[in-house]
Amino acid sequence: QSALTQPASVSGSPGQSITISCTGTSSDVGGYNYVSWYQQHPGKAPKLMIYDVSNRPSGVSNRFSGSKSGNTASLTISGLQAEDEADYYCSSYTSSSTLHVVFGGGTKLTVL
Amino acid sequence: EVQLVESGGVVVQPGGSLRLSCAASGFTFDDYTMHWVRQAPGKGLEWVSLISWDGGSTYYADSVKGRFTISRDNSKNSLYLQMNSLRTEDTALYYCAKEGSSWSSLDYWGQGTLVTVSS
Repeated sequence: QSALTQPASVSGSPGQSITISCTGTSSDVGGYNYVSWYQQHPGKAPKLMIYDVSNRPSGVSNRFSGSKSGNTASLTISGLQAEDEADYYCSSYTSSSTLHVVFGGGTKLTVL
Repeated sequence: EVQLVESGGVVVQPGGSLRLSCAASGFTFDDYTMHWVRQAPGKGLEWVSLISWDGGSTYYADSVKGRFTISRDNSKNSLYLQMNSLRTEDTALYYCAKEGSSWSSLDYWGQGTLVTVSS
């Protein structure tokens, strides 16, 4: 079972925008609009930031947005702030015969 | 307020067994699919298992299939993970998580319980 592919790290300066990619296959990211993104600060539980590719849960800043093209989903954070520094994980529903959910390997965002 | 509180994590020897519990409150527990997700020290998230609202459907990651069993008791608002034949690679922080209104999106997570498999 292969995890979704994310860059290990990205960085940006305060106020800038960054994009994190998440590449899967037609059996997961490309086949369904069930991509989610999670933010995890050190020592904390993950927090849902985006679901169904581009929807934000109540209370999540509109600086966070999601999109998808083919087998690749993306998370964009605009107007970077220091508190955005965290690990970010994508996930997707998968039609694998046994697996139901697959996560990406995670991306460490550093705010310079 | 939604709360998920995991318990049961301990140090156990390879080959041993353990049962994790997750107490849920603040929402109608039997309306939702529930998941277990784990995170090995310094590593990423790994999905482990899910159980449908009524317990009628369960799914497992290949890495735990045949060794772990997920269950729930809706009368007690509780989720469980029975872990048998534990291996050192099962060492991780185990989170229980509630599925949201959309398939596979996990909108609330507990703080996790640590399972260490070591001799």
